[in-house]
Amino acid sequence: DGGITQSPKYLFRKEGQNVTLSCEQNLNHDAMYWYRQDPGQGLRLIYYSQIVNDFQKGDIAEGYSVSREKKESFPLTVTSAQKNPTAFYLCASNSVAKNIQYFGAGTRLSVL
Amino acid sequence: QKEVEQDPGPLSVPEGAIVSLNCTYSNSAFQYFMWYRQYSRKGPELLMYTYSSGNKEDGRFTAQVDKSSKYISLFIRDSQPSDSATYLCALENSGYSTLTFGKGTMLLVSP
Repeated sequence: DGGITQSPKYLFRKEGQNVTLSCEQNLNHDAMYWYRQDPGQGLRLIYYSQIVNDFQKGDIAEGYSVSREKKESFPLTVTSAQKNPTAFYLCASNSVAKNIQYFGAGTRLSVL
Repeated sequence: QKEVEQDPGPLSVPEGAIVSLNCTYSNSAFQYFMWYRQYSRKGPELLMYTYSSGNKEDGRFTAQVDKSSKYISLFIRDSQPSDSATYLCALENSGYSTLTFGKGTMLLVSP
């Protein structure tokens, strides 16, 4: 099945720890995105990438880092600098030809 | 003024009702319009995609765009309890690679 796979589904972070959220797609999409969703806040863009080895900051990039070494993969690291990381994280992708974004099932990150 | 305004709800309706969900926007450069449905603790899924003023129908769902008024709507006919979800509008400016999302409207359809 074609789609976007996010893992893990639930993740817990200890104080001062970096954690990495995985996002893999087999849709052959060029662009990939990371969003953060908090209650009542809608979707806020963290980072996005349109091609391999290139990415841009979104609206709330501070405390996060990404890499895009392969077309299929766009992992997000939540660093210890992110003081309020508890949220639902969504990964999305689309082809450059048509900006319809398709989403993964999400990762819920909580702080221990 | 925010780029996209969407009433957060919740909007509560009985089963079988016609539901109207709306977004208003301020940037006339938006050319493409989407509606996503998001069930609790799930990722959003695309419902409708349209790029012109007028109506687009798909089963019980109709998307309506009025570019002159900067107003988009999603109508759901014969609403079902399974329609209970949060509905997000998303707008695209063809000159940009990102989408602008509304904050979502929570819909509750009671049996």
